[in-house]
Amino acid sequence: SQQGEEDPQALSIQEGENATMNCSYKTSINNLQWYRQNSGRGLVHLILIRSNEREKHSGRLRVTLDTSKKSSSLLITASRAADTASYFCATVLNDMRFGAGTRLTVKP
Amino acid sequence: EAGVAQSPRYKIIEKRQSVAFWCNPISGHATLYWYQQILGQGPKLLIQFQNNGVVDDSQLPKDRFSAERLKGVDSTLKIQPAKLEDSAVYLCASSFHGAVMGYFGPGTRLLVL
Repeated sequence: SQQGEEDPQALSIQEGENATMNCSYKTSINNLQWYRQNSGRGLVHLILIRSNEREKHSGRLRVTLDTSKKSSSLLITASRAADTASYFCATVLNDMRFGAGTRLTVKP
Repeated sequence: EAGVAQSPRYKIIEKRQSVAFWCNPISGHATLYWYQQILGQGPKLLIQFQNNGVVDDSQLPKDRFSAERLKGVDSTLKIQPAKLEDSAVYLCASSFHGAVMGYFGPGTRLLVL
């Protein structure tokens, strides 16, 4: 079964706007990771946040983690058309399990 | 650094036939994963290896799917016999160990007719 659940399922924004995606999960984790998948391609790792971390930044990406609420969010600032992709969270404890993903469309 | 290699990239078979996929992980990566991704869904973990031992295969349909990782390096995933619902992309990923970022291969797209 899937572990994480992303919300929303789909998101459409204009270039330059910020995009926020959320991930909720059910069990304990060692870390949580976010991946991007362009249509028809493999997954690309974006960022990893450990269970004892609350926030992490990487370029235009900001990830937060609230283990008490079992949730994480991914913020992409100043979005570009090239950010159009599906975004998945993956929870890691003894294995790595993915949610259903958020499909992001950034309109030029 | 070479990435995760998978072959074939595409495969079309008829139901009840057999098929095998191959994955060569990044050199030195002890952990290897096989995922099934049905169109429009997230990747579903089928099996995870640590070196040549199985860590988790709870979601592997063992009546028709099998996987091995001999010598703890490359791995094969087999489906025998295939069903229509096996049509999906099969992704292989590897990581240095189980708690760090994973590197994904391009996937094998399987169509069962």
